[in-house]
Amino acid sequence: AQSVTQLDSQVPVFEEAPVELRCNYSSSVSVYLFWYVQYPNQGLQLLLKYLSGSTLVKGINGFEAEFNKSQTSFHLRKPSVHISDTAEYFCAVSAINTGNQFYFGTGTSLTVIP
Amino acid sequence: DVKVTQSSRYLVKRTGEKVFLECVQDMDHENMFWYRQDPGLGLRLIYFSYDVKMKEKGDIPEGYSVSREKKERFSLILESASTNQTSMYLCASSRAGKNTEAFFGQGTRLTVV
Repeated sequence: AQSVTQLDSQVPVFEEAPVELRCNYSSSVSVYLFWYVQYPNQGLQLLLKYLSGSTLVKGINGFEAEFNKSQTSFHLRKPSVHISDTAEYFCAVSAINTGNQFYFGTGTSLTVIP
Repeated sequence: DVKVTQSSRYLVKRTGEKVFLECVQDMDHENMFWYRQDPGLGLRLIYFSYDVKMKEKGDIPEGYSVSREKKERFSLILESASTNQTSMYLCASSRAGKNTEAFFGQGTRLTVV
């Protein structure tokens, strides 16, 4: 089975500062990796995904993530955050051999301070 | 665009009531999921279905059942609602196989009083 650890439950950051949200996973098989964002009282929206190829993945809203197989990490970064980035962020994995189940981390609440 | 629609955004039910949460997707996806979301616990899988009339238990199936009579519709049933089932419920769907992602509905915030 797979599991996901998001190391920070809350991350406050000032507007226009850079941010990194950390995600580590464990799996005995190769995985696909995802980051989702959830705005208040809404469902989850896909930010970006790693399926194969380049380990640096670019997503929507200026976010990017880097897949590091040796460290089993998939950290999310943005060089300059905006107030509108305040939201909950979830990292998720699914196994390449099935692609049928998704395992989510417990989420990181990003608060952008004016 | 894929659309996953949950029938209610907010629900208030009384303890002991039978509750139905409905979810419909319009992209002919094989897989459908029900998650429960609670603060600090992330998303926990209740049930998922990989085909019509097929279902598998997730991590927290106790107190819930599901129904999938048509490919596009996946229902979550609380047989006798309890206050500890007050939560946000999220439905998702995905294609079967590889290179797939999950698409989510807007969520149903259920309060059991």
